[in-house]
Amino acid sequence: AQTVTQSQPEMSVQEAETVTLSCTYDTSESDYYLFWYKQPPSRQMILVIRQEAYKQQNATENRFSVNFQKAAKSFSLKISDSQLGDAAMYFCAYNYGGATNKLIFGTGTLLAVQP
Amino acid sequence: DTEVTQTPKHLVMGMTNKKSLKCEQHMGHRAMYWYKQKAKKPPELMFVYSYEKLSINESVPSRFSPECPNSSLLNLHLHALQPEDSALYLCASSLGGTGSYGYTFGSGTRLTVV
Repeated sequence: AQTVTQSQPEMSVQEAETVTLSCTYDTSESDYYLFWYKQPPSRQMILVIRQEAYKQQNATENRFSVNFQKAAKSFSLKISDSQLGDAAMYFCAYNYGGATNKLIFGTGTLLAVQP
Repeated sequence: DTEVTQTPKHLVMGMTNKKSLKCEQHMGHRAMYWYKQKAKKPPELMFVYSYEKLSINESVPSRFSPECPNSSLLNLHLHALQPEDSALYLCASSLGGTGSYGYTFGSGTRLTVV
């Protein structure tokens, strides 16, 4: 069974600094998709970044980038130049993309940004 | 239109009431989902509709009844709920039936059962 693990329940970062959130996963599939979602207090889950497992190049979206290590089954999120608006719960998620089409979430990391 | 719209945003209902949650998207997405989320927990999948057919039911109690009248609309009918059903109910949609491009989520309905 596929599982997603986030070992950091809470993290804190100073404004303008860089922070890295960790995520590991377990799967026997060779082709799959990984995501980071942000959920601020407004409740809406927002897609931050997406990685296709068959692509070796790490995905980047402005201040957000990932370090995807397929062999190690690791998918960490780096937030550069942290802003107050980055404060939120961050969920790592996995999708096999097959007929079952289930987005499997990790337990989440609550990120606080200190001014 | 790049949104998933959920109504109502808040709902308080008694254990004998019948109510419905509504979800709508006009992005042409062909898969739609219902998730239940408790505070500080990840969302838990309830139902998946793919091309307007129920494809996944995660053994959800029958007091929750999903309905997909068309490819843009998803309802969740509620009846005889329990206090432990109080949660944030999230609707999502995805392009195609595999979710490989990620899901677009609505802002949820905060449900309180009294």
